[in-house]
Amino acid sequence: QLQLQESGPGLVEPSETLSLTCTVSGGSISSDYWSWIRQPPGKALEWIGYIYYSGRSNINPSLKSRLTVSVDTSKNQFSLRLSSVTAADTAVYYCARGPYGGMHDAFDIWGQGTKVTVSS
Amino acid sequence: DIQMTQSPSSLSASVGDRVTITCRASQTIGKFLIWYQQKPGKAPQLLIYAASSLQSGVPSRFSGTASGTDFTLTISGLQPEDSATYYCQQSYSTPYTFGQGTKLEIK
Repeated sequence: QLQLQESGPGLVEPSETLSLTCTVSGGSISSDYWSWIRQPPGKALEWIGYIYYSGRSNINPSLKSRLTVSVDTSKNQFSLRLSSVTAADTAVYYCARGPYGGMHDAFDIWGQGTKVTVSS
Repeated sequence: DIQMTQSPSSLSASVGDRVTITCRASQTIGKFLIWYQQKPGKAPQLLIYAASSLQSGVPSRFSGTASGTDFTLTISGLQPEDSATYYCQQSYSTPYTFGQGTKLEIK
């Protein structure tokens, strides 16, 4: 069955760039949409953005000036780059399949999440 | 952005109880309302999509309803494993937004 796995550094210094990758296994990335979602400690979920396998993306306007999402179909991966990070970007970052049209655009499959701390 | 307001923020109930969690959207979203369950240290899991459609594998004690911009998640016959935080999310338009969560404790 389809599985997602996030990878990347757990600690990033302020003002640096956060880079994460999500590897899709058990299926092809060359269909559907793929999203990043984050959750600051003790807080609610925040949708970051999605990318389609074609490269078309949609980014949360709150992060648009700092965020780049990309996809590598040859590796079955999609990635996130968030620049000029601050402590407010400290969160667990999840990758997920979605918005999934077959389920009214829900996020139906999630990675386990990766904790990212912004600190010097 | 569409604001999603959940209530209550927390509740405590006993095994076998029936509990209801409410989510209100700041504007019309049709039936583009999703419910997730999140247990500590775990990723959210999809429970209900399209306001009332149960995800495959989710127990039938979970149900969802919609009335205008108000949505409810009901758990009938609460079980110990239902202890979790529940989030609603609108999938009507981007940026997709979530409610602030409802923490359910089993007495």
